Amino acid sequence: GAVVSQHPSWVICKSGTSVKIECRSLDFQATTMFWYRQFPKQSLMLMATSNEGSKATYEQGVEKDKFLINHASLTLSTLTVTSAHPEDSSFYICSASRRQYFGPGTRLTVT
Amino acid sequence: QQQVKQSPQSLIVQKGGISIINCAYENTAFDYFPWYQQFPGKGPALLIAIRPDVSEKKEGRFTISFNKSAKQFSLHIMDSQPGDSATYFCAASLEASGSRLTFGEGTQLTVNP
Repeated sequence: GAVVSQHPSWVICKSGTSVKIECRSLDFQATTMFWYRQFPKQSLMLMATSNEGSKATYEQGVEKDKFLINHASLTLSTLTVTSAHPEDSSFYICSASRRQYFGPGTRLTVT
Repeated sequence: QQQVKQSPQSLIVQKGGISIINCAYENTAFDYFPWYQQFPGKGPALLIAIRPDVSEKKEGRFTISFNKSAKQFSLHIMDSQPGDSATYFCAASLEASGSRLTFGEGTQLTVNP
């Protein structure tokens, strides 16, 4: 079946630094990828839709200058959390393709 | 409206019992209704999905019942097992929007041995 990977699986960074999370589709091409964040015991919240070769579409309330998304190829999308703060600590999950295969998630902790 | 309401928030079932989780949606244009299973620290995995042109879909121990007029759909897990203990999310999407999913709040299922 389709596989979506994420790297890293977990990351701890200091406040003010930037963190990049990669999302890869391993055995299929994905023109569209989605980025979600999930707080403990809560549902998934869509942050943005990443389109290969064009600008991402951000959901209302999501700061596009803080959460930079790059979808440079049909198998890779990246999410960069810039100037991270403790409130950015969360579980970030990507998905790919119209069937929405989800990655394993990335746990970000900002100290 | 793009909301999907899910209930109950948590559910405890004995091994061998039936687990039932319900969802209601508002946007009648939604045309794809998946259910996801998520274990702690993992991403959601697609469990089963239905489209509004059928009223029921069964895959193994998992069944979706869909009521278009009531704008409701439910997940039934037959012969529930301890390994089914996880968080379950219903979702809905509009294919024309590029499969942008709207998730329910989630149900924490615990199946006791």
